[in-house]
Amino acid sequence: EIVMTQSPATLSVSPGERATLSCRVSQSVSINLAWYQQKPGQAPRLLFYGASTRATGIPARFSGSGSGTEFTLTISSLQSEDFAVYYCQQYNRWPFTFGGGTKVEIK
Amino acid sequence: EVQLVESGGGLVQPGGSLRLSCAASGFTFSTYSMNWVRQAPGKGLDWVSYINSGSTAIYYADSVKGRFTISRDNAKNSLYLQMNSLRDEDTAVYFCARIQYNYYNMDVWGQGTTVTVSS
Repeated sequence: EIVMTQSPATLSVSPGERATLSCRVSQSVSINLAWYQQKPGQAPRLLFYGASTRATGIPARFSGSGSGTEFTLTISSLQSEDFAVYYCQQYNRWPFTFGGGTKVEIK
Repeated sequence: EVQLVESGGGLVQPGGSLRLSCAASGFTFSTYSMNWVRQAPGKGLDWVSYINSGSTAIYYADSVKGRFTISRDNAKNSLYLQMNSLRDEDTAVYFCARIQYNYYNMDVWGQGTTVTVSS
């Protein structure tokens, strides 16, 4: 099973600041990686697929990068609605696995 | 509007059974593969099972293999998860999710249904 490790577990950021989230994978998944955002009591929402392709309706302040085993989600200027938990997921090999999540909280 | 609506969750004793349903609308359900994903209280996301559009490819997480059965009825635009021999650790919110064309990420999610396994 491919292991996904997200860091940090919690990121405290002030509104307007930049946030950088990391996802490391135990073996190469090429660019077969997605990022999701989840707010309390809600379903996850797709942010990126193919590591860097923004899903429909996702603001340009969000960017995804990486390939192989190292991936990054960057939020250039945090807005109040961006405080949430973010998950990465690989879909290169079964079973498809998720990272443990990074909680982005208000500093 | 593209929508997935889960139902069928509830409280069940260990060893019991439940059948979850997911009603799809706003898209051609029969052409999409689907997943079930769960989330234990306060925990992260955990993939449970996959079924392709024609039910010819089905996969399960090791933790549910032999106990859970995924199925679909394309005529009814519905996805199902039959859960047997339930354990405490199956307690979670269960989401159905649509798999994006040409990829295997999930682009549409339902709101989830809560399953609680407890005596």
